[in-house]
Amino acid sequence: GAGVSQSPSNKVTEKGKDVELRCDPISGHTALYWYRQSLGQGLEFLIYFQGNSAPDKSGLPSDRFSAERTGGSVSTLTIQRTQQEDSAVYLCASSPTPLGQGPGELFFGEGSRLTVL
Amino acid sequence: GENVEQHPSTLSVQEGDSAVIKCTYSDSASNYFPWYKQELGKRPQLIIDIRSNVGEKKDQRIAVTLNKTAKHFSLHITETQPEDSAVYFCAATVYNNNDMRFGAGTRLTVKP
Repeated sequence: GAGVSQSPSNKVTEKGKDVELRCDPISGHTALYWYRQSLGQGLEFLIYFQGNSAPDKSGLPSDRFSAERTGGSVSTLTIQRTQQEDSAVYLCASSPTPLGQGPGELFFGEGSRLTVL
Repeated sequence: GENVEQHPSTLSVQEGDSAVIKCTYSDSASNYFPWYKQELGKRPQLIIDIRSNVGEKKDQRIAVTLNKTAKHFSLHITETQPEDSAVYFCAATVYNNNDMRFGAGTRLTVKP
């Protein structure tokens, strides 16, 4: 595809339900990032994948959050037992730079807006 | 991990004036400092970046300066225009690390 694709673009769910957010990075990009952006706030780092290496999960806010990246491409961010404070835009970004050659430009998706009622 | 602080959180300038946004970082090993611009309702996009072997970098009306001793770097926008209005994010990382942490952002408003 031409860019990073995220789905759904909007998701409204009830408190306590589980949600899955999908990110399809640019083909060939080895690095994939998830960020959370609450209304009017900054880019909060959640998790980072680089190739087949173990992901950096240091930004996940609680054990209700998990993410996986299958086959080094598509990634899914899962939030279990959603809470109202999980409401935010979840942004995915990918980068073409292989590990050891430094961070390249991050290409962001449009984001998935999650609203927990 | 790296901790990046960004100031001010909001900045309002008159069209044609200059704008300066400052960031500080905590990890002395950080050596790559990009700046991203996020227009309202859009995705963040890279506008300029600098590596620690350079003290200043310019691209038309935008420049970034780096002071490694003090561990701070700044974005300078000259001759501001209304289309410069956006949220600007700084980041710092170790070049071979790929772990990108952002500052809290600065909302710049350029008044015509």
